[in-house]
Amino acid sequence: DVKVTQSSRYLVKRTGEKVFLECVQDMDHENMFWYRQDPGLGLRLIYFSYDVKMKEKGDIPEGYSVSREKKERFSLILESASTNQTSMYLCASRTPHRGLYGYTFGSGTRLTVV
Amino acid sequence: KNEVEQSPQNLTAQEGEFITINCSYSVGISALHWLQQHPGGGIVSLFMLSSGKKKHGRLIATINIQEKHSSLHITASHPRDSAVYICAVSLGETSGSRLTFGEGTQLTVNP
Repeated sequence: DVKVTQSSRYLVKRTGEKVFLECVQDMDHENMFWYRQDPGLGLRLIYFSYDVKMKEKGDIPEGYSVSREKKERFSLILESASTNQTSMYLCASRTPHRGLYGYTFGSGTRLTVV
Repeated sequence: KNEVEQSPQNLTAQEGEFITINCSYSVGISALHWLQQHPGGGIVSLFMLSSGKKKHGRLIATINIQEKHSSLHITASHPRDSAVYICAVSLGETSGSRLTFGEGTQLTVNP
């Protein structure tokens, strides 16, 4: 089974800190995604990557950047954390499956910015 | 109006009850996904459908492409089924395509 691993389940950071959220998948998937999930807003796409060193903005990229130096690892960077970035962050990867894309999600990182 | 609407938003059931969660969407899709999220946050993909019906254990998912509607059924519900169930649709299957999510249905099954 594909595994998507997020490095931390819970993080507490201070306003203004640079924060790295790491995501690793073990099945050579090309496509990887970062979402944030907030009550009443559901899951929203921050960034995605369809190959190494390739990235595209999602619906809410402001305040975030990403890095994809190796196929298995997709990092989300908060350049200067702010309290409105307190959220649940979920990473996913996907692969073609019988003409469709199947998704695998990580266990999430709950980030609190104080 | 959201492109993906789920109902109900909250559902409480007694153990053993048959449960239905509905999902309607307003655009043409290539696939529909049912996801499960337990407290603590991780999301598990339950089903991926482009037509018809799929069954896995006590879970059944159906989709009607003409009516743009899908249902997730849980037979003989159990407290361990308590979770948020999320419907999501894929609008295409190219490298740039992405999922659009419903807001989720919070299911609580009481013993």
